[in-house]
Amino acid sequence: RKEVEQDPGPFNVPEGATVAFNCTYSNSASQSFFWYRQDCRKEPKLLMSVYSSGNEDGRFTAQLNRASQYISLLIRDSKLSDSATYLCVVNPPWDYGGSQGNLIFGKGTKLSVKP
Amino acid sequence: NAGVTQTPKFQVLKTGQSMTLQCAQDMNHNSMYWYRQDPGMGLRLIYYSASEGTTDKGEVPNGYNVSRLNKREFSLRLESAAPSQTSVYFCASNYRGYEQYFGPGTRLTVT
Repeated sequence: RKEVEQDPGPFNVPEGATVAFNCTYSNSASQSFFWYRQDCRKEPKLLMSVYSSGNEDGRFTAQLNRASQYISLLIRDSKLSDSATYLCVVNPPWDYGGSQGNLIFGKGTKLSVKP
Repeated sequence: NAGVTQTPKFQVLKTGQSMTLQCAQDMNHNSMYWYRQDPGMGLRLIYYSASEGTTDKGEVPNGYNVSRLNKREFSLRLESAAPSQTSVYFCASNYRGYEQYFGPGTRLTVT
């Protein structure tokens, strides 16, 4: 089982749509969770951290379910500028490199928002 | 404040040639990382350095060497380039928090 798995997409949605991405991780002792965004031919950038209680940043909502080892990202009212690849990212346990700040990246889900 | 910088942005090598990719950060971060990104494979960690003077292998270290020159700089060397090393290479850094900041990448083609 891969450490971080995501549906690669692509997700093609119209402007204004709501879209959800899901991600599963294999190590139940993983500590921290993030969503990064990567635009075409650019570097990844942090979109938001994911907290156990769930958290929201404007149109973006992230949820974590530790029991199911599942992370989600919901984007409401999609904009053309949301078109990008969304990377699910996990900080592994301390003895798997987590103590040094290492991160494990999913392969990403591609989102294309159309007019 | 430039963040993480990488040079060069693009490079074409012939099989067997060597080169060094340079990375520098001005955020006083302790940890630095080198990744490669290939279509369908996602980001894979090549080497990392948790602090000045230390380096460790990541998931795909074969064919690469690294040097943590000082706290700011972390270089990646390909001693004898192979076509399988054609990729986009990203350098990243972070402090004790977990957000990694990435450089703009180097697009390397080995023919």
